[in-house]
Amino acid sequence: NAGVMQNPRHLVRRRGQEARLRCSPMKGHSHVYWYRQLPEEGLKFMVYLQKENIIDESGMPKERFSAEFPKEGPSILRIQQVVRGDSAAYFCASSPWGLRYEQYFGPGTRLTVT
Amino acid sequence: DAKTTQPNSMESNEEEPVHLPCNHSTISGTDYIHWYRQLPSQGPEYVIHGLTSNVNNRMASLAIAEDRKSSTLILHRATLRDAAVYYCILRDGQFYFGTGTSLTVIP
Repeated sequence: NAGVMQNPRHLVRRRGQEARLRCSPMKGHSHVYWYRQLPEEGLKFMVYLQKENIIDESGMPKERFSAEFPKEGPSILRIQQVVRGDSAAYFCASSPWGLRYEQYFGPGTRLTVT
Repeated sequence: DAKTTQPNSMESNEEEPVHLPCNHSTISGTDYIHWYRQLPSQGPEYVIHGLTSNVNNRMASLAIAEDRKSSTLILHRATLRDAAVYYCILRDGQFYFGTGTSLTVIP
């Protein structure tokens, strides 16, 4: 059973460009979570999605950030008009049943904004 | 979200047991205690979780105080591969990661 997959592993964008980060959950998992980790800091929750639904986006910045988890295909975290402060590691996690259960994390996407 | 307090760093000799403490004095009755670890440049990895009783799995043991205001993650024999940041998290909803304990294992 393949683990959580994220791509790309490294992404470089210039200021003002768009970044699209992809996450394929573990097989059988229908719950996906996105986290951001700034250098030398802990992970910060961003958004929790089930298939085709956003359940909790309380950690998402109000502007420029969006997430989706379509019926078919991976979950996408989209950052529009990136700024230098968006440079971070973005981790995706999945779980089979939701909030109360352990989460399985992907290797992360390291976004660098130049 | 309930808060946890962990030491910033700890050291252990290889092959010796390690006890990683976590204080969570504001824990509620429905909060599960989760432990994750993060190796350098990797995503967090699930270690163990529990509610009231002590728990054991192939990776570690979790000892939970009777009043649930503290817990201890026990690695029975530290190896170099156990060097990581260990996060203690209370869960009745979203995960809130603090800064964790950075464990150094000395050969």
